[in-house]
Amino acid sequence: GNSVTQMEGPVTLSEEAFLTINCTYTATGYPSLFWYVQYPGEGLQLLLKATKADDKGSNKGFEATYRKETTSFHLEKGSVQVSDSAVYFCALTPPGITGANNLFFGTGTRLTVIP
Amino acid sequence: NAGVTQTPKFQVLKTGQSMTLQCAQDMNHEYMSWYRQDPGMGLRLIHYSVGAGITDQGEVPNGYNVSRSTTEDFPLRLLSAAPSQTSVYFCASSSGKWAYNEQFFGPGTRLTVL
Repeated sequence: GNSVTQMEGPVTLSEEAFLTINCTYTATGYPSLFWYVQYPGEGLQLLLKATKADDKGSNKGFEATYRKETTSFHLEKGSVQVSDSAVYFCALTPPGITGANNLFFGTGTRLTVIP
Repeated sequence: NAGVTQTPKFQVLKTGQSMTLQCAQDMNHEYMSWYRQDPGMGLRLIHYSVGAGITDQGEVPNGYNVSRSTTEDFPLRLLSAAPSQTSVYFCASSSGKWAYNEQFFGPGTRLTVL
């Protein structure tokens, strides 16, 4: 089946620290992989995505590389800011034309950045 | 564009009551979905629609009904609320049918069933 396992939180970092949130997946074929971010009181927003092996998604200083050999899509940022405090969700969509309606989410990792 | 809007933001129900969670999008998206978010479980798909008049079940459909009479609206109905339905509900829409198409989420409805 399809599933996503991501690093348990919460994670607390000081401003300008390096961030890694681990995500591994189980899927058939080549899924599309996503990181979504949920700021307090808001819905989820797409942060970045990768649709094939070795693709690197990037946005707002965050990066993640689609690693087929390790079935991973770890999220990284070199220097976090207080405004990055949020819950981060790793997700996958199986390949195929119905994928847009079938997102499998990890449990989410809460990040708090302190000044 | 308002994007995806949901009403109400908060709702408290008693067991057995019924209600409808509203969802609307103004992006002319064909694909719309409902998810529930529970602590430690991420988001799970309840129902989805690939266009007006077409709906299908997701991972956790029991206790919920949906309909899609227009492209813009996708209401979620709870016919007889149960405490197990206490959750945060998110509506989402997508412009395309492919796996890589981005989903746009509403701000959520926090539902408590007593």
